Amino acid sequence: NAGVTQTPKFQVLKTGQSMTLQCAQDMNHNSMYWYRQDPGMGLRLIYYSASEGTTDKGEVPNGYNVSRLNKREFSLRLESAAPSQTSVYFCASTEGGRNQPQHFGDGTRLSIL
Amino acid sequence: LAKTTQPISMDSYEGQEVNITCSHNNIATNDYITWYQQFPSQGPRFIIQGYKTKVTNEVASLFIPADRKSSTLSLPRVSLSDTAVYYCLVGWSGGGADGLTFGKGTHLIIQP
Repeated sequence: NAGVTQTPKFQVLKTGQSMTLQCAQDMNHNSMYWYRQDPGMGLRLIYYSASEGTTDKGEVPNGYNVSRLNKREFSLRLESAAPSQTSVYFCASTEGGRNQPQHFGDGTRLSIL
Repeated sequence: LAKTTQPISMDSYEGQEVNITCSHNNIATNDYITWYQQFPSQGPRFIIQGYKTKVTNEVASLFIPADRKSSTLSLPRVSLSDTAVYYCLVGWSGGGADGLTFGKGTHLIIQP
């Protein structure tokens, strides 16, 4: 049972390039989330999907787009990467409802030069 | 948004009990309090969750006073492997994640 799987684990981009971060969960969870983690800032919610077919903005959505491809997969896209988007990105999932404990992937470390 | 405040760092020794307090003055009626543990190069991992009074599981206890404006994570008899960042999370909504707010985390360092 893999839980939440994120790909790639590491990526280096140049400013202006585009990139899609992939996330898949095998727990049949309804809700999925994308966070970014920066030093001293904790985890900040970028986008979330309460259920298949729905997506909503979180605290820091600017510069990102998301797609809930199906119940298992939730991708995060950077259309034109900027150095300020250098961060560690985490995907999480829950059965449904925000009070449910979140299950996290191990992150994607993204550097934008 | 339910903002949270935690100490930036704490130190303790193996075998001691460690208590980490999180302040959440604006907690709403339906909000739960959840704590996560994070090791380097890994995603956060759920530790414990509660709504009021005291909750205990095999790894930790969570104490929540009657006014629910703070909560305390208690780790009994810590070991070196408990060195990690601990996050307090407060938030709930009727169907989405609006207002989901992680604290900045407490870096706990356990020494021999």
